[in-house]
Amino acid sequence: NAGVTQTPKFRVLKTGQSMTLLCAQDMNHEYMYWYRQDPGMGLRLIHYSVGEGTTAKGEVPDGYNVSRLKKQNFLLGLESAAPSQTSVYFCASSYSLVRIGTQYFGPGTRLTVL
Amino acid sequence: DQQVKQNSPSLSVQEGRISILNCDYTNSMFDYFLWYKKYPAEGPTFLISISSIKDKNEDGRFTVFLNKSAKHLSLHIVPSQPGDSAVYFCAASVKGRSGGSQGNLIFGKGTKLSVKP
Repeated sequence: NAGVTQTPKFRVLKTGQSMTLLCAQDMNHEYMYWYRQDPGMGLRLIHYSVGEGTTAKGEVPDGYNVSRLKKQNFLLGLESAAPSQTSVYFCASSYSLVRIGTQYFGPGTRLTVL
Repeated sequence: DQQVKQNSPSLSVQEGRISILNCDYTNSMFDYFLWYKKYPAEGPTFLISISSIKDKNEDGRFTVFLNKSAKHLSLHIVPSQPGDSAVYFCAASVKGRSGGSQGNLIFGKGTKLSVKP
């Protein structure tokens, strides 16, 4: 039981390049989330999904797209990376949306955009 | 504007003593509060939560207190252990129309706790 895994762990991009971050969970959770954490800041929600085929915007969605084609996977895409997107990205999943339940987090992806 | 505030960036405590981490919030629509613990190079892990209908929740060495009138919550760790050294995040969720969460956790900036042996 791996929990929540994220691929890759580290990545360096040049401005304008694109990439996709992959999140996978093996807990059969309905809900999945993408957060970013910047130095000295708390986590901020980018997008989330309440089930396969659904996505919704979070607090800071601009510049990102997401897809949830399979229940266990949640992809975060950057179409044209900008230095402001340099951050640590965390994926999370939870069983329930009612009362949030407990969100289980992946280990993070450290992204640097030059 | 910050809806969840952790005004102390860091806290240092002696092993065996009590650690008290504080969190203030501004949104009266928050109805559920959580504390997460984060070690370097790892994702946050859930620690303890409390519903807005309660004023206290206890789990082993960890107790969370909620003062709704003051929009304040605190996490008490007794006794503190060196392994508790980590960054602690306070988070809150907003009640949705259906009674459940809207799905959006709002996090504070975190407090770095150092427990010295």
